[in-house]
Amino acid sequence: NAGVTQTPKFRVLKTGQSMTLLCAQDMNHEYMYWYRQDPGMGLRLIHYSVGEGTTAKGEVPDGYNVSRLKKQNFLLGLESAAPSQTSVYFCASSYPRNVERGPGTQYFGPGTRLLVL
Amino acid sequence: GDSVTQMEGPVTLSEEAFLTINCTYTATGYPSLFWYVQYPGEGLQLLLKATKADDKGSNKGFEATYRKETTSFHLEKGSVQVSDSAVYFCASDGGTSYGKLTFGQGTILTVHP
Repeated sequence: NAGVTQTPKFRVLKTGQSMTLLCAQDMNHEYMYWYRQDPGMGLRLIHYSVGEGTTAKGEVPDGYNVSRLKKQNFLLGLESAAPSQTSVYFCASSYPRNVERGPGTQYFGPGTRLLVL
Repeated sequence: GDSVTQMEGPVTLSEEAFLTINCTYTATGYPSLFWYVQYPGEGLQLLLKATKADDKGSNKGFEATYRKETTSFHLEKGSVQVSDSAVYFCASDGGTSYGKLTFGQGTILTVHP
C-alpha cells in the first residue's frame, strides 16, 4: 500500500495564478483532510470531507476550494494564489470513530511545499 | 473554541537524557488526545494516543497520560536517542465525530550524541 500520496511535491506560483493539489489514499478511508503548516503555528485545518461528494470548511478555508468526486481522492484548489498561501500543505485520511477502534488515526501524506511569489 | 498549547521550544538534549514535552488542552467536549511526530522532510506519524481520562498511551518508549483534572497530556521518554530528533505535535480531536484535529505549535527536539 502506498498510503497517502500528494502531488506535486513542490511548486512555485506567481501571485494570481491557480493550481490544484492532489491527494490520493488507498486505505479506503471515509474521512480526508487538508492542513497547512506554517512555522510556529502547528497545522491548521483548511477543509475536510467525511465521504465521497461531501466537503466542509475547517479553521482557515478562505482562498481555497476542495472537491471529493471519488472516495480515494481529495483535491485542494487555489483559484488566485496569494503570498500568504506560501506554506506546506498536508493531506490526511482516516476511518471514522467507532466503538471498537476508538478515534480514527489520521495518516498523513509527505506534503506539498508551495511558494507564492 | 478548542485549543492545544505546547511548551515553547526548541528542546536540546544529550543522548540518554530524560524528555518531557508539556501539552495542555481546552475542550468543550470529551476529546481524544494524540502525539504526532514529524521527521525531517516527512509527513506526520501517529506516536501515541489516549481516548479518555487516566488512559496512558505508549509507543517506542514514549508515554503520555490523559489528565483531565489538569487538562494535560505531557509526553515523556526516559532515555532519548539521536534518532528521536524530530518535531513533536500534541493534538486534540475535541470529541468531535469527524476527527478534526487541533494541533499545538510543535516542539523541535534535537538530541546530541
